[in-house]
Amino acid sequence: SQKIEQNSEALNIQEGKTATLTCNYTNYSPAYLQWYRQDPGRGPVFLLLIRENEKEKRKERLKVTFDTTLKQSLFHITASQPADSATYLCALDMMDSSYKLIFGSGTRLLVRP
Amino acid sequence: DAGVIQSPRHEVTEMGQEVTLRCKPISGHDYLFWYRQTMMRGLELLIYFNNNVPIDDSGMPEDRFSAKMPNASFSTLKIQPSEPRDSAVYFCASSLRAGAAQETQYFGPGTRLLVL
Repeated sequence: SQKIEQNSEALNIQEGKTATLTCNYTNYSPAYLQWYRQDPGRGPVFLLLIRENEKEKRKERLKVTFDTTLKQSLFHITASQPADSATYLCALDMMDSSYKLIFGSGTRLLVRP
Repeated sequence: DAGVIQSPRHEVTEMGQEVTLRCKPISGHDYLFWYRQTMMRGLELLIYFNNNVPIDDSGMPEDRFSAKMPNASFSTLKIQPSEPRDSAVYFCASSLRAGAAQETQYFGPGTRLLVL
């Protein structure tokens, strides 16, 4: 069956370091992948979208890679700040003509000052 | 724009009671989604609408759940009767019209539901 995996353990890093979060999927061939940020008590907020024919996408301190051979996306935050502490969700399309996204369970990032 | 608006923000009810959650999407967005989020199951799509018409309700867990979108600016998700296992955070999201599903979704703040 189709499955999306994100590290359920929190990622704890020092301010200024690069945070790297992983999204792995099986039995999917998504045309695109999205990353969202979710703060406690709030709804997810869109960050970046990357298409299957794109290897890498950047936005300010954020970088996303998409390896369709490994079935994996990596999400990087460079020069991390305590304000980057949140849960990060990846989302994939359903490979069909529907308008649906399937979300991973998210990885919590904690950036220590 | 105020973004997606949901009400109430918190709801505590007793088992067996009817619960109605409300959503106002961003003006001009043609797609509206209802999600449920729990620790165990993460963020799950329940149903989505296109131009006020329900397109896919395969995620609706049971007949106790129903959703309507009477016009472009309002949608409801109703649970009747409610059960403790319905306790979760319910999100509404909307997105612009698009030819394919690359459009980002804009989420509301959610309704935290607790069924006792």
